Amino acid sequence: GESVGLHLPTLSVQEGDNSIINCAYSNSASDYFIWYKQESGKGPQFIIDIRSNMDKRQGQRVTVLLNKTVKHLSLQIAATQPGDSAVYFCAENDRGGKLIFGQGTELSVKP
Amino acid sequence: EAGVTQSPTHLIKTRGQQATLRCSPISGHTSVYWYQQALGLGLQFLLWYDEGEERNRGNFPPRFSGRQFPNYSSELNVNALELEDSALYLCASSLVPGVNTEAFFGQGTRLTVV
Repeated sequence: GESVGLHLPTLSVQEGDNSIINCAYSNSASDYFIWYKQESGKGPQFIIDIRSNMDKRQGQRVTVLLNKTVKHLSLQIAATQPGDSAVYFCAENDRGGKLIFGQGTELSVKP
Repeated sequence: EAGVTQSPTHLIKTRGQQATLRCSPISGHTSVYWYQQALGLGLQFLLWYDEGEERNRGNFPPRFSGRQFPNYSSELNVNALELEDSALYLCASSLVPGVNTEAFFGQGTRLTVV
């Protein structure tokens, strides 16, 4: 069935280091993919998205890479800060107004 | 500009009862989406409303229903509550129907069924 999953449930990094969060997806028909950040007690917050016809997209301190050959998505956060500590979800848009979310990766930033 | 607002923030119900959750989208947004986030799980798509009509539905039983009002606010109803319905229910809205890029989420309603 359709699914979007994450390789690592938790990730602990040192402040200032770069973080890489990975995600695998199974539905090749999706037109774009999105990364969300969810802090405790809050709703998911949009970080960055990438269309299926792109390989890379950069934002402020974040980069998303899409490898359609192996159906893999990653989020890179440069110079990780304590405020980046949260759960990160990848999501896949299936064209029917529905986002298919992965299980999430908890990022913990050590000072 | 106000974001997506949900009410109540917390709701405690007894098994078998009905729960009603409310969502007000960002002004100008006509599409409203509902998601369930059970403990330890990712977000599961429930419903999508646009212009007062149900456009898509996730794999949930019929006791999960909802509606969208003329002012684009929305209501999610859960009948015959079961313990496993305990979850955070999130509402999102978007300007372009069915396009979730930069869809904005509310803070959620924490439903606890006892």
